[in-house]
Amino acid sequence: GENVEQHPSTLSVQEGDSAVIKCTYSDSASNYFPWYKQELGKRPQLIIDIRSNVGEKKDQRIAVTLNKTAKHFSLHITETQPEDSAVYFCAAITNDYKLSFGAGTTVTVRA
Amino acid sequence: EAGVAQSPRYKIIEKRQSVAFWCNPISGHATLYWYQQILGQGPKLLIQFQNNGVVDDSQLPKDRFSAERLKGVDSTLKIQPAKLEDSAVYLCASSLRLGNGELFFGEGSRLTVL
Repeated sequence: GENVEQHPSTLSVQEGDSAVIKCTYSDSASNYFPWYKQELGKRPQLIIDIRSNVGEKKDQRIAVTLNKTAKHFSLHITETQPEDSAVYFCAAITNDYKLSFGAGTTVTVRA
Repeated sequence: EAGVAQSPRYKIIEKRQSVAFWCNPISGHATLYWYQQILGQGPKLLIQFQNNGVVDDSQLPKDRFSAERLKGVDSTLKIQPAKLEDSAVYLCASSLRLGNGELFFGEGSRLTVL
């Protein structure tokens, strides 16, 4: 099955700075890579996703990049704000429709 | 649009007891998932349904866990007997169809096994 590794496990940034989270996957057949945000005590919610035929996707302050050759993808958050503090999970889905999650990154934005 | 409903939100039981969780997915969503999220970890897929059929249950501890989705809508996840290491949040999620990556999660059912 798919193995998704996520780094770092914790990330502390000053408000206004950028945050970058990186994930690697093992199955070259993986074709869809979503990112979920989970605030404390709440459900995970999709914030952005990218498919394997695209190298980069941006939505306001967040962007995701995908390097299929190296089998890694990254989440970039610019101009971080306190409400960006949460746990972020990357995930990958393979041709057999299984969605595997990374272990998560706890992001803390310092005011 | 109503979201994914789960109950109960919280459950405390002693080891070796049994517990059942219920999930009602978003109307029209064919695919339903049960994930186990242990504190500080990412969600781990336990079982995935497409309508009333099982797509994947390779990580479900079948000696103690069972799940069903008899009519292809609601689902129940049962643990019997529970172990201490089953303490976790059990997340139900649904998606429109198989291979459609966006999952909509419920609030989760937090299980504490004493």
